[in-house]
Amino acid sequence: DAKTTQPPSMDCAEGRAANLPCNHSTISGNEYVYWYRQIHSQGPQYIIHGLKNNETNEMASLIITEDRKSSTLILPHATLRDTAVYYCIVRASYGNKLVFGAGTILRVKS
Amino acid sequence: GAGVSQSPSNKVTEKGKDVELRCDPISGHTALYWYRQSLGQGLEFLIYFQGNSAPDKSGLPSDRFSAERTGGSVSTLTIQRTQQEDSAVYLCASSLNTGQGGDEQYFGPGTRLTVT
Repeated sequence: DAKTTQPPSMDCAEGRAANLPCNHSTISGNEYVYWYRQIHSQGPQYIIHGLKNNETNEMASLIITEDRKSSTLILPHATLRDTAVYYCIVRASYGNKLVFGAGTILRVKS
Repeated sequence: GAGVSQSPSNKVTEKGKDVELRCDPISGHTALYWYRQSLGQGLEFLIYFQGNSAPDKSGLPSDRFSAERTGGSVSTLTIQRTQQEDSAVYLCASSLNTGQGGDEQYFGPGTRLTVT
């Protein structure tokens, strides 16, 4: 699975959009981009995933560049409860393990 | 519907004792995964079960660790002769694994193991 690079931490004001970047320049054609988050003392929570098209669900939007070498997770209206570690993971289409890096610590501040 | 459940939520054991951790996946999910997270560390893959296929044990750190999945549902992770470095949160996840592209894993709350 391709490696990802994320900033170690970011701050965001409550009510504003949080834009979390991820670089995955070695991604291959059959690999998806997944985003998970982990709120303190809880198990990781699935957020969204995509292959090459932009995706949106009730939690977030995922913007993938045309060359697929980077992506951005967007939380449109961040709340204090969105404070968590956000993990960007690249993985083949199905089966097998998730490889978690260090992620980005997002702090939403009032 | 019910999510992934794990038991116990907390386990304190003495060094050298054996422990068993249980995972109940989401009903109908054919894939089951075990991970662990040591204090201040990232999540580390341990083992993966998919249907009746042989499990992927590539992440197990030593032969003291084993896992089984009975009847394609409940899984038990066993750690024999526990050591202090085994102290961690052990997380279980399950997924549908439809093979149709994209496969989100749903995690349980974890079991916090402390070896004294």
